[in-house]
Amino acid sequence: GQQLNQSPQSMFIQEGEDVSMNCTSSSIFNTWLWYKQDPGEGPVLLIALYKAGELTSNGRLTAQFGITRKDSFLNISASIPSDVGIYFCAGRRNRDDKIIFGKGTRLHILP
Amino acid sequence: DGGITQSPKYLFRKEGQNVTLSCEQNLNHDAMYWYRQDPGQGLRLIYYSQIVNDFQKGDIAEGYSVSREKKESFPLTVTSAQKNPTAFYLCASSIRTGGDIYGYTFGSGTRLTVV
Repeated sequence: GQQLNQSPQSMFIQEGEDVSMNCTSSSIFNTWLWYKQDPGEGPVLLIALYKAGELTSNGRLTAQFGITRKDSFLNISASIPSDVGIYFCAGRRNRDDKIIFGKGTRLHILP
Repeated sequence: DGGITQSPKYLFRKEGQNVTLSCEQNLNHDAMYWYRQDPGQGLRLIYYSQIVNDFQKGDIAEGYSVSREKKESFPLTVTSAQKNPTAFYLCASSIRTGGDIYGYTFGSGTRLTVV
């Protein structure tokens, strides 16, 4: 089945640093989504991308839909303690296909 | 406010027992899903339902069963046939299988522990 390769698997950073993570697929996707999961909670949508090349921001978060339609990137600027959690990328090929999730990037912030 | 509710938040089960996890939504969504989450494994699809009285197996359906008698409810039963049931279980819903502009809406999860 379809798979999304998300990297890195985990990150340890200092508060205030910028963060970058990415997601790649062997198939073309027409929608890319980025979710965040706080410890012990369900994932919550951060950013949705619908067009190749699209760059969308949500506060300190910026995500891009890759030109090839096979990848997406998420950047977090000036990280703060509440950014801790697991970030999932997700993609969908067509309108009626199920959404496929990456395995997540676990973000740790060092004091 | 509309949302999706999972209960209980924590559940303990003795080996050999069946247990049912509840998932209720008042978003008027047709599609509902159950995922299992283990550390480092991401979200693995157990079962999904596109409409009332219909459901399909996901990637790891063995040892689980579901029902969809009402649009609002999609309970998951973890049976004694599931050999490693300790995990975090997430329920999600959406307008249709492909999701809406917000993708899927998730509940807050149930952590099941076998004791």
